[in-house]
Amino acid sequence: DIVMTQSPDSLAVSLGERATINCKSSQSLLYSSKKNYLAWYQQKPGQPPKLLIYWASTRESGVPDRFSGSGSGTDFTLTISSLQAEDVAVYYCQHYYSVPLTFGGGTKVEIK
Amino acid sequence: EVKLVESGGGLVQPGGSLRLSCAASGFNFSSYAMHWVRQAPGKGLEYVSTIGTNGGYTYYVNSVKGRFTISRDNSKNTLYLQMGYLKPEDMAVYYCARDFSSNGVPEYYFHYWGQGTLVTVSS
Repeated sequence: DIVMTQSPDSLAVSLGERATINCKSSQSLLYSSKKNYLAWYQQKPGQPPKLLIYWASTRESGVPDRFSGSGSGTDFTLTISSLQAEDVAVYYCQHYYSVPLTFGGGTKVEIK
Repeated sequence: EVKLVESGGGLVQPGGSLRLSCAASGFNFSSYAMHWVRQAPGKGLEYVSTIGTNGGYTYYVNSVKGRFTISRDNSKNTLYLQMGYLKPEDMAVYYCARDFSSNGVPEYYFHYWGQGTLVTVSS
């Protein structure tokens, strides 16, 4: 199984500042199609997860452009360029390179 | 509007059974692979199972293989998860989720999620 490791476990960022979340996979998620099989989700308290990013960097429709995904192979990053109060949540990466699908352990983002 | 509504959760004793349902609306249910994902209290997300558009393809994570059965009724726009031989470690909120792709081939990332149903396994 592919192991997904997120860091940090939690981070506190001031409003308007940048938040950076890292996700590392135990094997490359880059397929021969030149696509990276990685998604990011946001989960607010008491709510189901919400898809933010897929193919490592494609923003889902309606997701604010302050959210961006980058990286390739085994190392990926989710960046919130200017943290807003409504961005307080736990963020998860998930690979879909092969089954079983696996998620990272989550990163809790709070306001400093 | 896409809607997924899970039901059927509750308290069950270890070794018991439970059937979860997920009623779908707002999209052409038969065109999408569907998934179950669970989340133990205070923990992260764990993928459980996938079913193809016509039920001919199913996949289970090792921890539930042989105990859980995923199925769907496209005439009722409903997804099911029959859970048996339940263990305390199966205790979680169970989410149904719709695949992103509508072309019949799953892409295995989750476009829409239900609100979840809580399964408690305890004596």
